[in-house]
Amino acid sequence: NAGVMQNPRHLVRRRGQEARLRCSPMKGHSHVYWYRQLPEEGLKFMVYLQKENIIDESGMPKERFSAEFPKEGPSILRIQQVVRGDSAAYFCASSPPSRQGNYGYTFGSGTRLTVV
Amino acid sequence: AQSVTQLGSHVSVSEGALVLLRCNYSSSVPPYLFWYVQYPNQGLQLLLKYTSAATLVKGINGFEAEFKKSETSFHLTKPSAHMSDAAEYFCAVTSSGGSYIPTFGRGTSLIVHP
Repeated sequence: NAGVMQNPRHLVRRRGQEARLRCSPMKGHSHVYWYRQLPEEGLKFMVYLQKENIIDESGMPKERFSAEFPKEGPSILRIQQVVRGDSAAYFCASSPPSRQGNYGYTFGSGTRLTVV
Repeated sequence: AQSVTQLGSHVSVSEGALVLLRCNYSSSVPPYLFWYVQYPNQGLQLLLKYTSAATLVKGINGFEAEFKKSETSFHLTKPSAHMSDAAEYFCAVTSSGGSYIPTFGRGTSLIVHP
């Protein structure tokens, strides 16, 4: 029973390029959450998706960032025209649709984006 | 609104000594509280969680935490530190109402000296 799978583990992009981060949830999970981790800042919520639907994107920057979770395939976090400030670790978590507030989320190993 | 504050970005202990990592929360409704551990270059792993069944919660690797409503705290402890405990520890909160999206503290780096 595979956990939350993220790829790539490491991604290097030049300024101005696009970054695409993938997250495959645990089997049976249809909800995905993306977080960004900057040094000394902990994890910041970015976006919460169900399949084919964005539920909460209150933590997403207004420009250059987008996320999707199609009916088939992994969830994608897309960053267009990357800048050095986008360098961070991006983590994905998943949950079943029936989860309540006491649910302990399972996280992937993250994608570490470096913008050069 | 909900938030957590972790006091001390770094905590250093000797191997065999008591580990105490502090977490205070703020929530307008009864909270659910969690501690996660992150080893270098890895994702977050759930250590333990408080869900109102018992105020003293035991987790993996010998860690435990006590929910104190009067102090709005959920401190993490372990009686005897081991070198393998060196990691980043995050406290998180969700609320009994709302979308159940966890809010994380800034994290505390635990350093264990031989």
